[in-house]
Amino acid sequence: EADIYQTPRYLVIGTGKKITLECSQTMGHDKMYWYQQDPGMELHLIHYSYGVNSTEKGDLSSESTVSRIRTEHFPLTLESARPSHTSQYLCASTQGATVLQETQYFGPGTRLLVL
Amino acid sequence: AQTVTQSQPEMSVQEAETVTLSCTYDTSESDYYLFWYKQPPSRQMILVIRQEAYKQQNATENRFSVNFQKAAKSFSLKISDSQLGDAAMYFCAYRSTSSGTYKYIFGTGTRLKVLA
Repeated sequence: EADIYQTPRYLVIGTGKKITLECSQTMGHDKMYWYQQDPGMELHLIHYSYGVNSTEKGDLSSESTVSRIRTEHFPLTLESARPSHTSQYLCASTQGATVLQETQYFGPGTRLLVL
Repeated sequence: AQTVTQSQPEMSVQEAETVTLSCTYDTSESDYYLFWYKQPPSRQMILVIRQEAYKQQNATENRFSVNFQKAAKSFSLKISDSQLGDAAMYFCAYRSTSSGTYKYIFGTGTRLKVLA
């Protein structure tokens, strides 16, 4: 198992609430990613970071924001949760110093239900 | 833009038999990486196997091997001697080697069922 952690694992929350999904890795990886995945469906990249203080939006439009103040930490925030945000959120990281080192390690995911 | 296509939403295989999962991709690049990831039910996604496009030799990892056909842009995964623990969603993924490109592109996945 990879050393990448996500909390909470499950979250049920009401519409309009602000939430932060936590992701941490202890491998010293530079690159980190957030994916949104509906059950049994494909992964959609919503944010990524290639180092401290660098973040980029992914291919899927998202109302969430991310920050990367420390290498090991890449939290995702929803300012106002809506039922359309109900999904599973996967965090991943890669060492990526060279492309030869590219292997994505995934966290266990956070299952979010917005009522 | 690159795309990855997995045309088999679901596959079944008898325990101890062999199964092949299909993946095709589209790219104008000559060098890239291809991956197969496994996502067991309620468990973390893990890397199964990786192929570097500049290598002609097909990658193998124990019971897992790929058939990489660069000209056809095909990257299938063969699982030999299937085990119950192989049951999972399998995702094919593409990663460019272009400098400054850090994104992975995933296919829609194939759900593999292993029958006892």
